[in-house]
Amino acid sequence: AQSVSQHNHHVILSEAASLELGCNYSYGGTVNLFWYVQYPGQHLQLLLKYFSGDPLVKGIKGFEAEFIKSKFSFNLRKPSVQWSDTAEYFCAVKLANTGRRALTFGSGTRLQVQP
Amino acid sequence: ETGVTQSPTHLIKTRGQQVTLRCSSQSGHNTVSWYQQALGQGPQFIFQYYREEENGRGNFPPRFSGLQFPNYSSELNVNALELDDSALYLCASSTDRNTGELFFGEGSRLTVL
Repeated sequence: AQSVSQHNHHVILSEAASLELGCNYSYGGTVNLFWYVQYPGQHLQLLLKYFSGDPLVKGIKGFEAEFIKSKFSFNLRKPSVQWSDTAEYFCAVKLANTGRRALTFGSGTRLQVQP
Repeated sequence: ETGVTQSPTHLIKTRGQQVTLRCSSQSGHNTVSWYQQALGQGPQFIFQYYREEENGRGNFPPRFSGLQFPNYSSELNVNALELDDSALYLCASSTDRNTGELFFGEGSRLTVL
């Protein structure tokens, strides 16, 4: 079965610092990749997605992620974080072209941005 | 706001009891998926409903069951509750049963004592 690993469980940054959250998955076939975010007291929402094409994808609020197929990775980045980026971030993988319905999530990274 | 609403938001049950959780999908969405999120973990796929039929299932026992209604709303039923069933139950709707672009509700937090 496929799995998703997020190695950073809790990250604390100061405002304006750069952010990179790691995500690795274990599946050799074609995948669709996602980052979801959950702000305090809010529902999970989609931050960005990758299906195919340019491996560098841009999402909302200045976030971007890079798909590196050889490393089975889909790391999330932001050049300069803001206090409002404090949230929990989940990487998720869906097997493409298999009829499998499940989205497999990592265990999440809690980001705390200090003003 | 996603337009996905779940009820109840919190509930407490005792071991062995049964629970029903409800979800109204976002307008125009015909697919509903349910996820279980234990404390400190990411959401885990329970099952998906499309056109009122179960359309995919994760590694959950048969005592987890569901329904989807003609208006695309859905229920999750859990029988014979166990302590480990304590979790946040998330409903997500989508326009397509194959997509990973899900619109989540805020969840129902179940505590089993």
